[in-house]
Amino acid sequence: DTAVSQTPKYLVTQMGNDKSIKCEQNLGHDTMYWYKQDSKKFLKIMFSYNNKELIINETVPNRFSPKSPDKAHLNLHINSLELGDSAVYFCASTLSGRVYEQYFGPGTRLTVT
Amino acid sequence: KQEVTQIPAALSVPEGENLVLNCSFTDSAIYNLQWFRQDPGKGLTSLLLIQSSQREQTSGRLNASLDKSSGRSTLYIAASQPGDSATYLCAVNYYNYGQNFVFGPGTRLSVLP
Repeated sequence: DTAVSQTPKYLVTQMGNDKSIKCEQNLGHDTMYWYKQDSKKFLKIMFSYNNKELIINETVPNRFSPKSPDKAHLNLHINSLELGDSAVYFCASTLSGRVYEQYFGPGTRLTVT
Repeated sequence: KQEVTQIPAALSVPEGENLVLNCSFTDSAIYNLQWFRQDPGKGLTSLLLIQSSQREQTSGRLNASLDKSSGRSTLYIAASQPGDSATYLCAVNYYNYGQNFVFGPGTRLSVLP
C-alpha cells in the first residue's frame, strides 16, 4: 500500500545513454513533482504536473522530459546522460488546493559513469 | 529571489535534551510551510505542515511554529532520542510560486546516546 513509489531504486548507466525513471502514486493526488538532490544534499524542484499539464519547468536541460500518462503517474525521461546528472531523484505528489502537503517517494539514485 | 535558509547546518546533542531548529524565508506571502525528516539514503517523511493562517502545529514530541511577519519557523523537539538523528528539511510554498515548494539546505541532527 505504498503511497508514492519509484522504480528503479538504483540506476547505473554510462554517459550518452537514455534512461527513464517511473513514479506512481495511489493517493488520488492531482499534482506530481520531480526533484533532484545533488551530492550536497540540496533538494531542487525540476518539474511539477497538475492534471497532466506542466505547471512550471525550472532551468532544467531539455534532455530531461517528464511524461504523465495519467494523474497517478509521472515518469522522467533523460536523454544523453552526463556525469553531472548523477544524483538522487525524488518524485512527490500533492492534492491541489490551499494546503499543498507533499508526499515523497523513496528516491532513485542515478549514477552516470 | 525566494530562498529558504536553515540554521544550524549541523547539530549534535546528548540524548534527552530539548532542541530547536530554525528555518527562515524571504517573503511572508506563503501558503504554508512543511517540515520533513530525511534519514541517510532514504526519502523524505513529512513531519508537520503549518498553513499560513496557523501559528503552530504539534505532533508528539514535535512542535513547529510559524511567524510570517519575521519570515521564521522553528521546529522544537522535546526530550530528544537517538532515533531522532536525521536531516531535517524545511520547505516553503510561496504564493507566487504556484504549487511548488522551495527547500532549505537542511539541518543534520545527531542525538548521542
